[in-house]
Amino acid sequence: GAVVSQHPSWVICKSGTSVKIECRSLDFQATTMFWYRQFPKQSLMLMATSNEGSKATYEQGVEKDKFLINHASLTLSTLTVTSAHPEDSSFYICSVRTGEAGELFFGEGSRLTVL
Amino acid sequence: GQNIDQPTEMTATEGAIVQINCTYQTSGFNGLFWYQQHAGEAPTFLSYNVLDGLEEKGRFSSFLSRSKGYSYLLLKELQMKDSASYLCAVLDSNYQLIWGAGTKLIIKP
Repeated sequence: GAVVSQHPSWVICKSGTSVKIECRSLDFQATTMFWYRQFPKQSLMLMATSNEGSKATYEQGVEKDKFLINHASLTLSTLTVTSAHPEDSSFYICSVRTGEAGELFFGEGSRLTVL
Repeated sequence: GQNIDQPTEMTATEGAIVQINCTYQTSGFNGLFWYQQHAGEAPTFLSYNVLDGLEEKGRFSSFLSRSKGYSYLLLKELQMKDSASYLCAVLDSNYQLIWGAGTKLIIKP
């Protein structure tokens, strides 16, 4: 499998500020990374697919200007939540797809709390 | 539309066996995954089924029936550490993952 690392694990910020979350693929060159969001007691929701060297593909209903994704290298993708508001408080998880079955390997997740 | 159904919550006793069911209706099928997610953590991969039948991996087994749009995850010799949510996900014809809401499994001593 792949080893994926996210940073920070926890972040608390004030409403209106921006927060950057990093996702690193430590042992796998990922041309594609997936960003998910998970609200309490709900399932994973795919936000966007991050593509190395090109624009991210956003799911319907996800604002691309609010959730900026940059995938500058084969090992790093970043998600920036701009002008965060309390409703953006959630668990954000990145993943890569690899393995025989194309299974997803997830980072540890980043829990964002916006005050 | 695409839909995946799993029970919201199940309770079982340590040392026992539990079966978590998943039914799906998707546009096409390219495999079904089971993931385990402990509270506050990211999911971890458990199993993948693309052909009908039972796949056994230690204490965990996963079954698939494509004609019935049905899968189950079987956990044997339950341990307290098995308390977690179990997510069923289907890869559709566009290779998009469709996620179930997850089944919270509570293990009692």
